[in-house]
Amino acid sequence: EAQVTQNPRYLITVTGKKLTVTCSQNMNHEYMSWYRQDPGLGLRQIYYSMNVEVTDKGDVPEGYKVSRKEKRNFPLILESPSPNQTSLYFCASRTRVGIAANEKLFFGSGTQLSVL
Amino acid sequence: RKEVEQDPGPFNVPEGATVAFNCTYSNSASQSFFWYRQDCRKEPKLLMSVYSSGNEDGRFTAQLNRASQYISLLIRDSKLSDSATYLCVVRLTGGGNKLTFGTGTQLKVEL
Repeated sequence: EAQVTQNPRYLITVTGKKLTVTCSQNMNHEYMSWYRQDPGLGLRQIYYSMNVEVTDKGDVPEGYKVSRKEKRNFPLILESPSPNQTSLYFCASRTRVGIAANEKLFFGSGTQLSVL
Repeated sequence: RKEVEQDPGPFNVPEGATVAFNCTYSNSASQSFFWYRQDCRKEPKLLMSVYSSGNEDGRFTAQLNRASQYISLLIRDSKLSDSATYLCVVRLTGGGNKLTFGTGTQLKVEL
């Protein structure tokens, strides 16, 4: 089954304790992206990757890191989480950008992060 | 001004009603347009792309007005299962072909 898998689904942590949210897709997609969703603000892009070893900042990259060492994986790293990073996070992927017929974005099921 | 703006609702409608949502976008260079559906705290899923000539998928009709920079979604014969938040999404060229999401319009279909 074609899917984007995110883990964990729920995470409660404390300020300053490094954490990683994993994301993996099995569709051989070139493009992957991380979003956070907050009430009244909608989905905002954190980082994206056009392909292996190519990553770029989105709209709200501060406090986050990513890596794309393999095509299928795109982990999100919070080196020193703070309470303002409490949010619902989504990973997403799609095929090569520029092919209009394949613009559908596939989302993972989300990670609800609470930083105390 | 937000790049993509939607009325947050909620729109409370009876089953069988026709309901329409609008979405405005600020960047005239926007290339592609979409409606995504999101159930409470779950992942967004593509409902339909929006084409210049307008397009229909069953009970759903999407329209694009480039001159006025808005897109619309019409739902006919609303079902209880249509209750969700509908996200307007716009893609710009360049910069990774970034997708910009509206904050969503909440629809509640009632008996």
